[in-house]
Amino acid sequence: SAVISQKPSRDICQRGTSLTIQCQVDSQVTMMFWYRQQPGQSLTLIATANQGSEATYESGFVIDKFPISRPNLTFSTLTVSNMSPEDSSIYLCSVELGSDTQYFGPGTRLTVL
Amino acid sequence: GQNIDQPTEMTATEGAIVQINCTYQTSGFNGLFWYQQHAGEAPTFLSYNVLDGLEEKGRFSSFLSRSKGYSYLLLKELQMKDSASYLCAVRWGSTLGRLYFGRGTQLTVWP
Repeated sequence: SAVISQKPSRDICQRGTSLTIQCQVDSQVTMMFWYRQQPGQSLTLIATANQGSEATYESGFVIDKFPISRPNLTFSTLTVSNMSPEDSSIYLCSVELGSDTQYFGPGTRLTVL
Repeated sequence: GQNIDQPTEMTATEGAIVQINCTYQTSGFNGLFWYQQHAGEAPTFLSYNVLDGLEEKGRFSSFLSRSKGYSYLLLKELQMKDSASYLCAVRWGSTLGRLYFGRGTQLTVWP
């Protein structure tokens, strides 16, 4: 298994500001993934973060709004830019360990006022 | 798009057996995951199926039929702590980690 930590665990932000969420894994992984879970909804994949290359975004998500960094094989950040109340969600990072296991971090609960 | 369907809610009593179904679009299918998520917590990995058949892990089992685009999660000897949302997630294509989730099934276990 993998131990995944995220910072911050929660935050309350003003609209128009930006928040950077950090994800740290206790082992080296090729790809990390960022998901969003809006209130009462299931998880939606935002993007795939590859070390040494630009992130790959899913339909409906763009780099200007959700810039991602992946400086090494154990760490990634997701920034939620120019926030609005619609960005209030739980943001989770995830890693895959082999083809049959995928683990999630504890999540960052974001509230935008 | 990725059409993953599962029931919204289910209820059962302690000690009973419950089966949560999930159907999905078969084109490009490359694996199916089940997760458990308690309120306010991150999803916890339960099972993975990529070949047809039944995978058993203690009280939990997961079944897959690739030709039918169908899976189920079977929970036996239900306990109160099994009350949670159960998420079906499908991987399409070759990229590991890109999962598409159903809306989740909220299971309530009554005493």
